Amino acid sequence: IVMTQSTHSLPVTPGEPASISCRSSQSLLHSNGYNQLDWYLQKPGQSPQLLIYLGSNRASGVPDRFSGSGSGTDFTLKITRVEAEDAGVYYCMQRLQIPITFGQGTRLEIK
Amino acid sequence: EVQLVESGGGLVQPGGSLRLSCGASGFTFSSDWMSWVRQAPGKGLEWVASIKRDGSETSYVDSVKGRFTISRDNAKNSLYLQMNSLRAEDTAVYYCASSGGGSFDIWGQGTMVTVSS
Repeated sequence: IVMTQSTHSLPVTPGEPASISCRSSQSLLHSNGYNQLDWYLQKPGQSPQLLIYLGSNRASGVPDRFSGSGSGTDFTLKITRVEAEDAGVYYCMQRLQIPITFGQGTRLEIK
Repeated sequence: EVQLVESGGGLVQPGGSLRLSCGASGFTFSSDWMSWVRQAPGKGLEWVASIKRDGSETSYVDSVKGRFTISRDNAKNSLYLQMNSLRAEDTAVYYCASSGGGSFDIWGQGTMVTVSS
């Protein structure tokens, strides 16, 4: 399954909203009713961290300014008000099928 | 504290071998699938391999099949990646990750593998 993040770089002013899109080459909707799509953030110099799982569920400790939406093949990660600490590369990942695949990443730059 | 700590990376010549280790603490290691994910310099994330809780099932990305072997020792809370016939394109930071619930919810700090003559 090919994961496509069409935006490679996204400059955002602190306090403004941000939206990152991800598209899969086939539906990620499992027979259990859940989309097998996660979002990860890799801050500069750090390991990736889980933000959103199953398309729309925030991981433990993730601020509520982050939200995930979408179903099937089109997904979006939204940040209501960007903060400086949100800078980094955002990856979507599908785990419906092996091989697990990631999008190319979208770099969020703070203006 | 929940933690994964990788070790075993380094410089190796093409065709050589290396064994990576990942030690787990702070969570029930034997309850989770475990995986290796790598990141070539300046590139994105690439899933490499995963192993079931009891080690009975493994899966690999095509580019490493037949060369890499993932294994685990639940008694030692440890995950391993045996890498043989290494190529320049295997150069990357290798992360181990816990797949609690299917997502990679715990990541290590990574260990660098450089394949070069």
